[in-house]
Amino acid sequence: DQQVKQNSPSLSVQEGRISILNCDYTNSMFDYFLWYKKYPAEGPTFLISISSIKDKNEDGRFTVFLNKSAKHLSLHIVPSQPGDSAVYFCAASARGGSQGNLIFGKGTKLSVKP
Amino acid sequence: GEEVAQTPKHLVRGEGQKAKLYCAPIKGHSYVFWYQQVLKNEFKFLISFQNENVFDETGMPKERFSAKCLPNSPCSLEIQATKLEDSAVYFCASSLIRDSLSPYGYTFGSGTRLTVV
Repeated sequence: DQQVKQNSPSLSVQEGRISILNCDYTNSMFDYFLWYKKYPAEGPTFLISISSIKDKNEDGRFTVFLNKSAKHLSLHIVPSQPGDSAVYFCAASARGGSQGNLIFGKGTKLSVKP
Repeated sequence: GEEVAQTPKHLVRGEGQKAKLYCAPIKGHSYVFWYQQVLKNEFKFLISFQNENVFDETGMPKERFSAKCLPNSPCSLEIQATKLEDSAVYFCASSLIRDSLSPYGYTFGSGTRLTVV
């Protein structure tokens, strides 16, 4: 039973355009969400996060939006660059919980074409 | 160092053999996490440590899998009597504080690819 879902396995975007990666979750206890970026043969690297008390967090070209009522978050990358081509993983945790582990989605492979 | 070092990068084992994976967390990080990624799918949480103590082992298979984090040694994940289904990339991550309280997430290593043949 997947608690964090990324329903698009892949996304292709033209350089300079906006990339929108989506993520849905089912567990209403999740109150902290993160996006990781992963290149082949490397570990995931942290990109951006958002707490459930916010609905938007921005860091340079990256913005994460959270819609708690819909249990949905999205990552916007604008403008997209070829170097952004990677697999993006959405992850969630329950900060109030006793554990610290993250629950990951299956990832979306982003290809940014020059 | 400022990176999580995982060794070896690749490991091939015959079915039934033992596999041992190592992880050196970032110096000063109190929390270590192990994740399993099968066939490029989602990361499955296995176990976490707070220093040398098991913090959460709810993801660990009850049989065959064990893990340790001893003082002044790399952490290790050991699989006894490997099976074909254990083939995966095993990622280790470390964090200064319990990740659910950290705004920066974990720092991951580059993983160990285990192939069971």
